[in-house]
Amino acid sequence: GNSVTQMEGPVTLSEEAFLTINCTYTATGYPSLFWYVQYPGEGLQLLLKATKADDKGSNKGFEATYRKETTSFHLEKGSVQVSDSAVYFCALSEGSSNTGKLIFGQGTTLQVKP
Amino acid sequence: GAGVSQTPSNKVTEKGKYVELRCDPISGHTALYWYRQSLGQGPEFLIYFQGTGAADDSGLPNDRFFAVRPEGSVSTLKIQRTERGDSAVYLCASSLSAGPPNEQFFGPGTRLTVL
Repeated sequence: GNSVTQMEGPVTLSEEAFLTINCTYTATGYPSLFWYVQYPGEGLQLLLKATKADDKGSNKGFEATYRKETTSFHLEKGSVQVSDSAVYFCALSEGSSNTGKLIFGQGTTLQVKP
Repeated sequence: GAGVSQTPSNKVTEKGKYVELRCDPISGHTALYWYRQSLGQGPEFLIYFQGTGAADDSGLPNDRFFAVRPEGSVSTLKIQRTERGDSAVYLCASSLSAGPPNEQFFGPGTRLTVL
């Protein structure tokens, strides 16, 4: 079945460091890919998305490119801030389904230290 | 405008009891989803409603779980004969319609603890 695998955390970085959180997926067809973020004490929020191969999603300085050849959607940010500390979830929505249901990875905790 | 709301925010119950969890979606959103998030895991899909009907309930773990959305707005997730393994955060999400590019907006969740 369809699945999403993320790198295990926690990831601890100093402020202004470069961030990469790896995400790979298994899916039939052409899924849409997402990164969601959960800040401490808050609900899940959509961070960015890409709906077809080679699309790049971006928001708040974060980027991820939909790579069909490597079935990956790695999250990157050039310079992290303390306020980026959160749990990040990679997710996919099956392309063959019109329900929009999401399949999530297990989440990666990011801690940014001043 | 108001986001997705869920009540209660916390629910503690005893094994074998019945619980109801409520979700108020964003007004006008026709698609509604329930997910379950266990500690240290990502959310897992339970059920999807389009309007009043459950269009996909493939994620419900067993027949103790049931959900309704009688008027196409508020939804209730019902769990019978609760077990300790049901302890998790139950998340509700809504979107304008189903599928990308429609964004799913998540509520804050109900933390269910079964003693």
